[in-house]
Amino acid sequence: DIQMTQSPSSLSASETDRVTITCQASQAIGIYLNWYQQKPGKAPKLLISDASTLESGVPSRFNGSGSGTRFSLTINSLQPEDFGTYFCQQFHGLPYSFGQGTTLDFK
Amino acid sequence: QVLLQQSGPGLVKPSQTLSLTCAISGDSVSSQTSGWVWIRQSPSRGLEWLGRAYFRAYWFKDFAYFVDSRMTINADTSKNVFSMELKSVTPEDTAVYFCARDVSAAGYFDFWGQGTRVTVSS
Repeated sequence: DIQMTQSPSSLSASETDRVTITCQASQAIGIYLNWYQQKPGKAPKLLISDASTLESGVPSRFNGSGSGTRFSLTINSLQPEDFGTYFCQQFHGLPYSFGQGTTLDFK
Repeated sequence: QVLLQQSGPGLVKPSQTLSLTCAISGDSVSSQTSGWVWIRQSPSRGLEWLGRAYFRAYWFKDFAYFVDSRMTINADTSKNVFSMELKSVTPEDTAVYFCARDVSAAGYFDFWGQGTRVTVSS
């Protein structure tokens, strides 16, 4: 199994801040990495695929980078609607696996 | 726009079978460019990919090793739905279960069902 480890597990930030979430894979996965945002009581929403490709409709303040084993999601100029929990997910090999999540809330 | 509507019981007794259905609109369960997955989420285990089914001349199905012998996924093309069964459930199977579309059966989950909270308890 490929284990995905996210850090931090939670963070608090203010509107217009820039935040970065990291995701580390237990083995090299190329760029087979997606990022999701989840709001309470809702299903996850695909934000970024292939480590850095923004999905249609996702604001350009979201930026994904990385390859191999280390990846990051940066949100520039945080907006109130960005609160929630963020997950990384590898699709290099079955079973696909997710990070444990990073909960972002506002100070 | 693809919509996935889940249905199924929210309470299942230990040792019984958990059955959920996902009705698809806006795509076809037998699409040659889509796959269909089940994912669950619990506080203790996080998000877990359980299995997938996709049609490419015939049906392909894959399951996570930790549910492999207990899980089945079926598709009903006449109703455009896919379903899962998880046998011999225990309290460890208590979770919110999601169905989702897997773009090209390649590992991108772009549309999700609303989620079904399933509790395993007597």
